[in-house]
Amino acid sequence: DAGVIQSPRHEVTEMGQEVTLRCKPISGHDYLFWYRQTMMRGLELLIYFNNNVPIDDSGMPEDRFSAKMPNASFSTLKIQPSEPRDSAVYFCASRKSGTPREAFFGQGTRLTVV
Amino acid sequence: QQQVKQSPQSLIVQKGGISIINCAYENTAFDYFPWYQQFPGKGPALLIAIRPDVSEKKEGRFTISFNKSAKQFSLHIMDSQPGDSATYFCAASGSGTYKYIFGTGTRLKVLA
Repeated sequence: DAGVIQSPRHEVTEMGQEVTLRCKPISGHDYLFWYRQTMMRGLELLIYFNNNVPIDDSGMPEDRFSAKMPNASFSTLKIQPSEPRDSAVYFCASRKSGTPREAFFGQGTRLTVV
Repeated sequence: QQQVKQSPQSLIVQKGGISIINCAYENTAFDYFPWYQQFPGKGPALLIAIRPDVSEKKEGRFTISFNKSAKQFSLHIMDSQPGDSATYFCAASGSGTYKYIFGTGTRLKVLA
């Protein structure tokens, strides 16, 4: 398996623009997580899905952020409108229910909002 | 109560030395404690993990020590090597939830 695949790897956008980050989880994994990493706050969980259904979105910072998982092999994280303080590395991770409890991370998307 | 506190923020160790990173938690419902290693430009990857029914787990040069009563756990890297230079995150998870709560990370630099 190719692992968790995220696209794009880098995104530079202007403030106010819409940004969409994409994730393909590992086949057979039924949990998908979106994390944001910054120097100040480390790895923050934004939202996670189980069998394509959002379970906990309490980490989503504002209504400008939204996430969807239309099927088991694809998820998106959208920011609209984007702001400079959204600049961070966004990671997607997936895992199977049960054991082992390892979560596998993608390479991340580095977002810069100017 | 959902926080995992990690220290130090950064660590510099000589080659061959021992690197020690500490974490503390409050939620007694946590029952799985992984450590993740992250190299620049990469996503975090599982290094080693422990459950609270054991006090220590060793895999090669990496050891987790777990103190259930103190609600603390630590990562020890023996014979640290320059290739170990990375950011290390502790995390915690409960059986009733599948999400991980991560510590803030420790940037380790091992000098050659």
